[in-house]
Amino acid sequence: SQQGEEDPQALSIQEGENATMNCSYKTSINNLQWYRQNSGRGLVHLILIRSNEREKHSGRLRVTLDTSKKSSSLLITASRAADTASYFCATEANDYKLSFGAGTTVTVRA
Amino acid sequence: DAGVIQSPRHEVTEMGQEVTLRCKPISGHDYLFWYRQTMMRGLELLIYFNNNVPIDDSGMPEDRFSAKMPNASFSTLKIQPSEPRDSAVYFCASSSRGWDEKLFFGSGTQLSVL
Repeated sequence: SQQGEEDPQALSIQEGENATMNCSYKTSINNLQWYRQNSGRGLVHLILIRSNEREKHSGRLRVTLDTSKKSSSLLITASRAADTASYFCATEANDYKLSFGAGTTVTVRA
Repeated sequence: DAGVIQSPRHEVTEMGQEVTLRCKPISGHDYLFWYRQTMMRGLELLIYFNNNVPIDDSGMPEDRFSAKMPNASFSTLKIQPSEPRDSAVYFCASSSRGWDEKLFFGSGTQLSVL
């Protein structure tokens, strides 16, 4: 079953704009991870944030975690055409499994 | 390291045939995971291994599915007999510390059962 649910399902933005997507989950987690998947490829890990952390950065990526609201957000700043992909959040809950959401499809227009 | 290597990249077979998917994890990684991705159900964990031992196979849909890891550098996922509803992309992933660390995914096997 999917623990995390991403919102929106799809997002279309102009190159240079920022893209924000959200992930909500249902039960307490140990960590939350974001992955990117380009069309026809495997998933690539972007960021891992632990339950006692509130914000992490990696290059143009910023992830926040609000455990009280059971939600996380992924911000991509100054988007590029190469950022066109599907983005998934994955949560590790107390069942010690990594469950993936349905993903947000991001299209960056040139 | 070449990353997680899966073969074949694409597999087309007829209903009732046996299908074997193969995976070579990253050297030194103690955890190996098999996931299945479909439009309807997203990414589902099928089974995972720790130090070549199957830990949780509760995601394996039916007895038609079986997975083995005879050594630290090789795993197989077998479907016998295959059915059209098994059509999906099957991913293998590995990590050094299980769920507490990032997973490295292979490029996947696109399986089509006619």
